[in-house]
Amino acid sequence: AQRVTQPEKLLSVFKGAPVELKCNYSYSGSPELFWYVQYSRQRLQLLLRHISRESIKGFTADLNKGETSFHLKKPFAQEEDSAMYYCAPPEGGFKTIFGAGTRLFVKA
Amino acid sequence: DARVTQTPRHKVTEMGQEVTMRCQPILGHNTVFWYRQTMMQGLELLAYFRNRAPLDDSGMPKDRFSAEMPDATLATLKIQPSEPRDSAVYFCASGSGRMNTGELFFGEGSRLTVL
Repeated sequence: AQRVTQPEKLLSVFKGAPVELKCNYSYSGSPELFWYVQYSRQRLQLLLRHISRESIKGFTADLNKGETSFHLKKPFAQEEDSAMYYCAPPEGGFKTIFGAGTRLFVKA
Repeated sequence: DARVTQTPRHKVTEMGQEVTMRCQPILGHNTVFWYRQTMMQGLELLAYFRNRAPLDDSGMPKDRFSAEMPDATLATLKIQPSEPRDSAVYFCASGSGRMNTGELFFGEGSRLTVL
């Protein structure tokens, strides 16, 4: 089964500081990975996906096959980035198990 | 704007009572997932369906939980009897089932409190 690991449950940074949320995966092949975000009292929603190689709300994520990682990065954190972030493989033919999630808290 | 709909949004009940949560997936989606979210465990997968057939419910306590899809527009998660440790937010999500590219679309969740 595809597995992802998010080692940090909580990450606290100051506004304007760089932020990196870690995600490691443990399956072979050509992995496809997503980052989902959940703002306070809202539904989870897709933030970005590896295959699109896009930047959303200033966030980027690069797949590093050597380190089996898909870390989410933003150079300058904003208070509105405070949320719960989940790393996950895509669904499609198999069960989708999310990482444990990392709560990002951006302090003013 | 198609969305996954869950009911109820909030439920407070007493230990031992039956709880049923409902989910309407996005029309045309053929996979449905039930997750439970807690502070300690994060997002746990309870069960998932493909074309209404249950494919995996190994994450669900079988003695008290059951999940069904009576038709393509309705998925249910039932807890009987409920216990205080079941208190959590339960999310339903649906997807198109496309291999390696599919994202999941989540409902707003059902917040369950068992007293």
